[in-house]
Amino acid sequence: AQKVTQAQTEISVVEKEDVTLDCVYETRDTTYYLFWYKQPPSGELVFLIRRNSFDEQNEISGRYSWNFQKSTSSFNFTITASQVVDSAVYFCALSEEYMIYNQGGKLIFGQGTELSVKP
Amino acid sequence: SQTIHQWPATLVQPVGSPLSLECTVEGTSNPNLYWYRQAAGRGLQLLFYSVGIGQISSEVPQNLSASRPQDRQFILSSKKLLLSDSGFYLCAWRKGEFSYEQYFGPGTRLTVT
Repeated sequence: AQKVTQAQTEISVVEKEDVTLDCVYETRDTTYYLFWYKQPPSGELVFLIRRNSFDEQNEISGRYSWNFQKSTSSFNFTITASQVVDSAVYFCALSEEYMIYNQGGKLIFGQGTELSVKP
Repeated sequence: SQTIHQWPATLVQPVGSPLSLECTVEGTSNPNLYWYRQAAGRGLQLLFYSVGIGQISSEVPQNLSASRPQDRQFILSSKKLLLSDSGFYLCAWRKGEFSYEQYFGPGTRLTVT
């Protein structure tokens, strides 16, 4: 069965600290897709990144970076030099190829990690 | 560009009253549409998804229903609300069969009293 685990329920850091949000997934499919979303206090989920199972290259976008490791079934998210505006709940999600083409592209979400960045 | 709208933004309803939440998407055609609920515990629960007009798939049996009367309109309804229906309801869309990520609307915060 598919499952996404975000073991860190809450993280609190001081501004300018680096922080890593962990995501571990379970799937039996060989082709799958991983996602990160940000939910600021306003409530709307904002799409951050998608990674395909056949592309293990790490990604960097400004202060954000993602580390995808199939060997450990992890897709971790690091924020460098955190800022107060990074305070939000972050969700990791998974979709398998079967779900994309036969189940409307449904996503399996983790429980989220609440990040609090203090000034 | 595409935009997604939800209304109302907030709603307070008594137990046993009906519910109708609306979601519309602009700037795209034949999107896949989704309704999620987020309870206080923060997890996102997929309620319904639709791959086309009149096509609704239910993920969780409950007293809620969904309809898609038009290509870019998705409605979540209930005939009689329960206290457990309280939560944050999010609508999302996906471009189609060969797209992967979903894009979310601003949400509706429902409190059942």
